[in-house]
Amino acid sequence: DAKTTQPPSMDCAEGRAANLPCNHSTISGNEYVYWYRQIHSQGPQYIIHGLKNNETNEMASLIITEDRKSSTLILPHATLRDTAVYYCIVNQAGTALIFGKGTTLSVSS
Amino acid sequence: AAGVIQSPRHLIKEKRETATLKCYPIPRHDTVYWYQQGPGQDPQFLISFYEKMQSDKGSIPDRFSAQQFSDYHSELNMSSLELGDSALYFCASSLTPGLAASYEQYFGPGTRLTVT
Repeated sequence: DAKTTQPPSMDCAEGRAANLPCNHSTISGNEYVYWYRQIHSQGPQYIIHGLKNNETNEMASLIITEDRKSSTLILPHATLRDTAVYYCIVNQAGTALIFGKGTTLSVSS
Repeated sequence: AAGVIQSPRHLIKEKRETATLKCYPIPRHDTVYWYQQGPGQDPQFLISFYEKMQSDKGSIPDRFSAQQFSDYHSELNMSSLELGDSALYFCASSLTPGLAASYEQYFGPGTRLTVT
């Protein structure tokens, strides 16, 4: 079973920041937080991952709380093409991804 | 950059037939994962391979088998197909666990299997 809890849906206006929360209160010390997204039946796309520290790449930022029990994915300037299902996944490096229900993000103009 | 290649992209089979799906990982990636996504469902892990050996097993039916070859490509063989096998089948690849700083998986575009 998935070890994460995410809101089923969120809305965001184009150009605004999208902040997607994820709870993972049972995360173990050697488990990473990964974020993937799936756009309309395409293959899931890797976004970002982290262990303890906050991370940023060209797509997004990942903020992990100090106790590691929750995290937030930030898309700084959402566009219509960011409309997708976003999955927060907790797992050990090199193991299978266990997908939960994810958050459907709808970006509108 | 090269991505994961899956073939065929679409496949239509009848009940009780067999099907073979192929996956070509990103160059230098030697770990392959297979996932199944039924209609309206989230992706579900089936099986994975590392260096041609099965490394992990999920909810893969006994009617399905898979293998990884010396060039690291992988094939998923499905026999006695049932209507419920209709789904998207994704392959993902990653670098060898333990040798890379990160282990993110990169997914292919999927094979859409329809069983009639």
